[in-house]
Amino acid sequence: GQQVMQIPQYQHVQEGEDFTTYCNSSTTLSNIQWYKQRPGGHPVFLIQLVKSGEVKKQKRLTFQFGEAKKNSSLHITATQTTDVGTYFCAAFKYNNNDMRFGAGTRLTVKP
Amino acid sequence: DVKVTQSSRYLVKRTGEKVFLECVQDMDHENMFWYRQDPGLGLRLIYFSYDVKMKEKGDIPEGYSVSREKKERFSLILESASTNQTSMYLCASSFRGTGIIDGQYFGPGTRLTVT
Repeated sequence: GQQVMQIPQYQHVQEGEDFTTYCNSSTTLSNIQWYKQRPGGHPVFLIQLVKSGEVKKQKRLTFQFGEAKKNSSLHITATQTTDVGTYFCAAFKYNNNDMRFGAGTRLTVKP
Repeated sequence: DVKVTQSSRYLVKRTGEKVFLECVQDMDHENMFWYRQDPGLGLRLIYFSYDVKMKEKGDIPEGYSVSREKKERFSLILESASTNQTSMYLCASSFRGTGIIDGQYFGPGTRLTVT
């Protein structure tokens, strides 16, 4: 089955700094989803990317899907303490009905 | 708002017991999922269902079974609980979408401890 690597595993930033997490697959994907899980909470759906090279923005968050549809990134500009949590990617490959979550990137923000 | 509810937030069971985890969604979603979440491993898919009475194995189905008799309800069954099944169990649901699975809505989770 496909392998999904998410890096880094942890990231600690000062408030106001930028943050990026990367999701890399060994195979071409159909689509990718991003989720955020606050400490003690459950994952919350953020966005879905489907098209090669797609870029979507949500306020300070920018999501990209690679041209080869094998990797994706989530970038947060000027982090705030409310951004604290673990960010997961979920990679989908439909020709073999395969869905897999990355291990997540845990973000902490120092005020 | 979509609501996904799980029958228990915390559960303690003994080794060898049969365990039922229930999940109910109120948004008429076709797809429902069961995951377990362990530190450093992210979410791993146990089973999912894309319709009533339909099920597909995920990455780690061994030791688990599922039941979906009604569209809104998806049950996870541990036939004989073992200590290595101690984990956080998360249920999710989504629309089927046009050829793809739409974003998933998660329940609050059940923290199961098997002693």
